[in-house]
Amino acid sequence: GAVVSQHPSWVICKSGTSVKIECRSLDFQATTMFWYRQFPKQSLMLMATSNEGSKATYEQGVEKDKFLINHASLTLSTLTVTSAHPEDSSFYICSASGTYNSPLHFGNGTRLTVT
Amino acid sequence: GENVEQHPSTLSVQEGDSAVIKCTYSDSASNYFPWYKQELGKRPQLIIDIRSNVGEKKDQRIAVTLNKTAKHFSLHITETQPEDSAVYFCAASIGYNQGGKLIFGQGTELSVKP
Repeated sequence: GAVVSQHPSWVICKSGTSVKIECRSLDFQATTMFWYRQFPKQSLMLMATSNEGSKATYEQGVEKDKFLINHASLTLSTLTVTSAHPEDSSFYICSASGTYNSPLHFGNGTRLTVT
Repeated sequence: GENVEQHPSTLSVQEGDSAVIKCTYSDSASNYFPWYKQELGKRPQLIIDIRSNVGEKKDQRIAVTLNKTAKHFSLHITETQPEDSAVYFCAASIGYNQGGKLIFGQGTELSVKP
């Protein structure tokens, strides 16, 4: 089945630094990937839609200059949390679909802790 | 935009009993409704899904029903087992493609007591 790989699985960084998270579709091409954020005991909140070769589409309330998304190829999307603050600590999960009629598959997620 | 409401937030059942989780959605254009199971610290796993042209779908102990008119859908788990304990999320897809962005419900923490 379709596999989505996310790296790193966890990261601890200091306040003010930037962190990059990678999302790869391993056995299929994904023109679209989605980035979600999940706080403890809460639901998955869609942050943005990553489109290969074009600008990402951000959901209302998500700062595009803080959460930089790059989808440079059909198998890789990256999310960079810039100038991270403790309130950005969360579980970030990407997802991708290979074709029009295939369900979304999720990466393993990245647990970000900002100290 | 789409809004998905999920109830209950917590559900505790005895092993062997059935569990039902209900969701409602707001966007009548939604046509794909998956259910995910998430264990602590792990990614959501798709357990069953249904499209809007079908009213019911079953896979062993799991079934999903959809009422398009009322814009609600439900997850039914029969003969529950302790390993069914997890958080379950319903979701609805905006637009007409199955691989489109999903909006999730708030989640239901299911606890199956042996």
